[in-house]
Amino acid sequence: EPEVTQTPSHQVTQMGQEVILRCVPISNHLYFYWYRQILGQKVEFLVSFYNNEISEKSEIFDDQFSVERPDGSNFTLKIRSTKLEDSAMYFCASSVERGNTEAFFGQGTRLTVV
Amino acid sequence: AQKVTQAQTEISVVEKEDVTLDCVYETRDTTYYLFWYKQPPSGELVFLIRRNSFDEQNEISGRYSWNFQKSTSSFNFTITASQVVDSAVYFCALRNSGGGADGLTFGKGTHLIIQP
Repeated sequence: EPEVTQTPSHQVTQMGQEVILRCVPISNHLYFYWYRQILGQKVEFLVSFYNNEISEKSEIFDDQFSVERPDGSNFTLKIRSTKLEDSAMYFCASSVERGNTEAFFGQGTRLTVV
Repeated sequence: AQKVTQAQTEISVVEKEDVTLDCVYETRDTTYYLFWYKQPPSGELVFLIRRNSFDEQNEISGRYSWNFQKSTSSFNFTITASQVVDSAVYFCALRNSGGGADGLTFGKGTHLIIQP
């Protein structure tokens, strides 16, 4: 069964450093997403990506964040200068289309900023 | 703006009991989509079900059933004859159909504990 894969599973970084979280969406999916879950809290939408550009972004997704699809398979989330409050689980997801369809999530990358 | 409320923060039942997880949503859209996801202790998010606003038929899948009622803006999830493996955090989520509505709005989740 096809699945969304994320690497690494856990990343520890120092405050102020740049991090890149990587995702390989399901191959025939067209929409890609990043979500964030601070420990013990709800899952929050960050950004959606379609046709090589951002489709929608939330208030959380400020100038510190960027997304990219550098090749035909990978989808990345970059945090330019990490802050302590960026510590969270980051989920990548993908879906075939936008509305009447479910998004499938990866297993997540736990980012710890120290 | 849309909102999803899961009022039950934590539920603990003994194995084989039936349990219902509540979900109430708010949206101004007439077309929208509702979802349930399961997050087991391992942390991943597992898709369980999608429901469209124009389809109010209830659904049953094995021990799982979902009751969608537009009149009360609720989309409740029942597990029949619960098992220890059902222990997880369950999230209800909503997506509108309009522009600028790609992302899912999640509730805060209900932590379900099934005791042996």
